[in-house]
Amino acid sequence: GAVVSQHPSWVICKSGTSVKIECRSLDFQATTMFWYRQFPKQSLMLMATSNEGSKATYEQGVEKDKFLINHASLTLSTLTVTSAHPEDSSFYICSARAVSVDQETQYFGPGTRLLVL
Amino acid sequence: AQSVTQPDIHITVSEGASLELRCNYSYGATPYLFWYVQSPGQGLQLLLKYFSGDTLVQGIKGFEAEFKRSQSSFNLRKPSVHWSDAAEYFCAVGVPGNTPLVFGKGTRLSVIA
Repeated sequence: GAVVSQHPSWVICKSGTSVKIECRSLDFQATTMFWYRQFPKQSLMLMATSNEGSKATYEQGVEKDKFLINHASLTLSTLTVTSAHPEDSSFYICSARAVSVDQETQYFGPGTRLLVL
Repeated sequence: AQSVTQPDIHITVSEGASLELRCNYSYGATPYLFWYVQSPGQGLQLLLKYFSGDTLVQGIKGFEAEFKRSQSSFNLRKPSVHWSDAAEYFCAVGVPGNTPLVFGKGTRLSVIA
């Protein structure tokens, strides 16, 4: 139980285009999802907290107009990287809280590798 | 605010040897404690967690961790390491309320023959 999927697993795009990454909780309802960014050989950097039906809370320094987050249902959150540039290339990971299982554990998706050319 | 320290950036052990990865936290009360493992190019997999009760916690893949309040530590152990255990290990701390976990910087484990 508590499986989280991400799609796509990797994406290559041209500079200036937008990319949407989906995060789904497959077997549980997640009222809260989190989006992280990870650079090579580094820890996770929290970008934003996404609550179902409300606006996401962004961490300091994360551009909300650049990284659009939508959490429209209890099983789906999306991260859209708008007008992507090479510096946005990174590994993006989402996680979800399974309220029905336990409130404090975050279950992670497999990640999405984004390469912007 | 809570914080997590993983003092060892990189550890190398021989296959079959025992392993201990260190984790220290800073928080005014007893937090929720987690260990996750990340293989290259993958997401994070939960190894084990501590919320309350028995301070020795058993996890998946033969791992265990012990919560020591007096030392503010939650060290991860495995009696016999396998080559497949080579990965990045993250300790994380959570507190009551709908707040995200705080992660340590990670410890990279290499396993040699």
